[in-house]
Amino acid sequence: DTGVSQDPRHKITKRGQNVTFRCDPISEHNRLYWYRQTLGQGPEFLTYFQNEAQLEKSRLLSDRFSAERPKGSFSTLEIQRTEQGDSAMYLCASSLVGIQETQYFGPGTRLLVL
Amino acid sequence: KQEVTQIPAALSVPEGENLVLNCSFTDSAIYNLQWFRQDPGKGLTSLLLIQSSQREQTSGRLNASLDKSSGRSTLYIAASQPGDSATYLCAVIGSTNRDDKIIFGKGTRLHILP
Repeated sequence: DTGVSQDPRHKITKRGQNVTFRCDPISEHNRLYWYRQTLGQGPEFLTYFQNEAQLEKSRLLSDRFSAERPKGSFSTLEIQRTEQGDSAMYLCASSLVGIQETQYFGPGTRLLVL
Repeated sequence: KQEVTQIPAALSVPEGENLVLNCSFTDSAIYNLQWFRQDPGKGLTSLLLIQSSQREQTSGRLNASLDKSSGRSTLYIAASQPGDSATYLCAVIGSTNRDDKIIFGKGTRLHILP
């Protein structure tokens, strides 16, 4: 499969624990985005990378959240000291900067914080 | 700040009917507008992308229109089928920033009755 993949697909954790999600973009795509989607809402932008550089972070991304894309390929999103309000679907998308910059989305990681 | 609104929030129609989903956005300075489909608990699938210079795009039974000056888009689905049941998300990318982050509406939950 050459689409965007995310791991794990589901994560249940207890409040206060740290969690880390991984996203593998489409191989030639230089941009990678993270979005968060809560129930009944559309996805909301969190952060994005162009190659290995993190170019923007949303105010939604508190200091408990950190994202990396060390070699400009896969990315990780870590949440420290999880809170119940972090429960959501975390979506990753990738794109190739060009004329028609469609973002291709992965299946998401659904996080439940108990 | 760009805001995207979708009406109705939910829609149930009998199989075979044609239907229209509506989307409005507050800032007409957009780079493109995209319609996505999301099945329950899944990621997003891009259906149609309309560049700001275009008026419409068609794919099979789907037709999306864009009126940038009035801040409106519609998604027309012809001869609806039960397999069309899903949440449909409208999203825009602003032209003033080149970060290409997508601003999503909350979606329209569509249920096609067999």
